[in-house]
Amino acid sequence: ILNVEQSPQSLHVQEGDSTNFTCSFPSSNFYALHWYRWETAKSPEALFVMTLNGDEKKKGRISATLNTKEGYSYLYIKGSQPEDSATYLCAFPRMDSSYKLIFGSGTRLLVRP
Amino acid sequence: GAGVSQSPRYKVAKRGQDVALRCDPISGHVSLFWYQQALGQGPEFLTYFQNEAQLDKSGLPSDRFFAERPEGSVSTLKIQRTQQEDSAVYLCASSLAGLHNEQFFGPGTRLTVL
Repeated sequence: ILNVEQSPQSLHVQEGDSTNFTCSFPSSNFYALHWYRWETAKSPEALFVMTLNGDEKKKGRISATLNTKEGYSYLYIKGSQPEDSATYLCAFPRMDSSYKLIFGSGTRLLVRP
Repeated sequence: GAGVSQSPRYKVAKRGQDVALRCDPISGHVSLFWYQQALGQGPEFLTYFQNEAQLDKSGLPSDRFFAERPEGSVSTLKIQRTQQEDSAVYLCASSLAGLHNEQFFGPGTRLTVL
């Protein structure tokens, strides 16, 4: 059974704090890991697609790392801003004909000004 | 260019009513997915189309759920005789064919069944 778990479930931080959250996934038959940011009333927005063990990707103040051998990925936000408030989702594509995504339940981040 | 659009954005239905949710994918995207996101959970796969062919409907929760994409572009998800447990956000995503391609999501339709 494919299971993607995210922690923490929610996080409240002050503006300027740096933060990180975790995505755990099955390490066998790994293909890729997707990170999405989903702001309320908007479309989920792709942040990163990570494929290689040891990958580290960066987009502005947000970065992510990948460890496929132990089955986890970390997402880091440096100097959080109120506009970073969103739900952060990770997802694992099923390796069948559709490549449908199996999502974690997300980490809800609230950045207080 | 235009992203994935969905309509309506919000729908309130009385229990037992039929609803139809529309998805306009990005032009040229072969693959189209529907996901259901219940409160406090991540999105869960419902069904997948490659062009007009529905190749996977394993995630549809019951035979009250039906999806179509007759011309390989716009898709409709229909829910018959809605129940309270159908209340969720329904997300549509499209992508180019192939392993490495990112799925682009619409904003979702929030369905509330009273």
